[in-house]
Amino acid sequence: NAGVTQTPKFRILKIGQSMTLQCTQDMNHNYMYWYRQDPGMGLKLIYYSVGAGITDKGEVPNGYNVSRSTTEDFPLRLELAAPSQTSVYFCASSIGQGGYGYTFGSGTRLTVV
Amino acid sequence: DQQVKQNSPSLSVQEGRISILNCDYTNSMFDYFLWYKKYPAEGPTFLISISSIKDKNEDGRFTVFLNKSAKHLSLHIVPSQPGDSAVYFCAALLGGGADGLTFGKGTHLIIQP
Repeated sequence: NAGVTQTPKFRILKIGQSMTLQCTQDMNHNYMYWYRQDPGMGLKLIYYSVGAGITDKGEVPNGYNVSRSTTEDFPLRLELAAPSQTSVYFCASSIGQGGYGYTFGSGTRLTVV
Repeated sequence: DQQVKQNSPSLSVQEGRISILNCDYTNSMFDYFLWYKKYPAEGPTFLISISSIKDKNEDGRFTVFLNKSAKHLSLHIVPSQPGDSAVYFCAALLGGGADGLTFGKGTHLIIQP
């Protein structure tokens, strides 16, 4: 059981380039999330989705876009990359709301130069 | 405005002793509190949660205590083992919870042999 799979694990982007971070889960979870973690900081929510076709902004959505065409996939799109987007990005999924806990992917370390 | 605070960036404990990690929060509307453990280059792993209507939850070596009047929770690990060395994040969830967890900055627990 793979859980939550993120690709790529590492990426270096030049300022102004675009890329898509991929996230797939095989647990049939309705809820999916994208977080970023900056050094010495907690995780901050970028976007979330409560089901296929439904997405909403989190705490730090500027510079990002998402889509949720299937239950399994929740890609995160960076348009016009900026140095401030250098971070580690985590995708997560959960079976529902409440104290169930999220299952996180292993992360994508992105550097924008 | 940081709603979930972990004021100790690091904590060193001898193997076999008790580890106590602390967390404070400001929003009395949080419904659930969760603890995550994170190793380097991996995603966070869910450890244990507690509902705001309870004051204690136990799972093996891990116990979480909630003091609502003080807006404080703590994670106790007994006995501490070398594999417990990791960063521990406290997180909180609002009622409804679809809009994701709010994380603290984490505490780096180091278990000394």
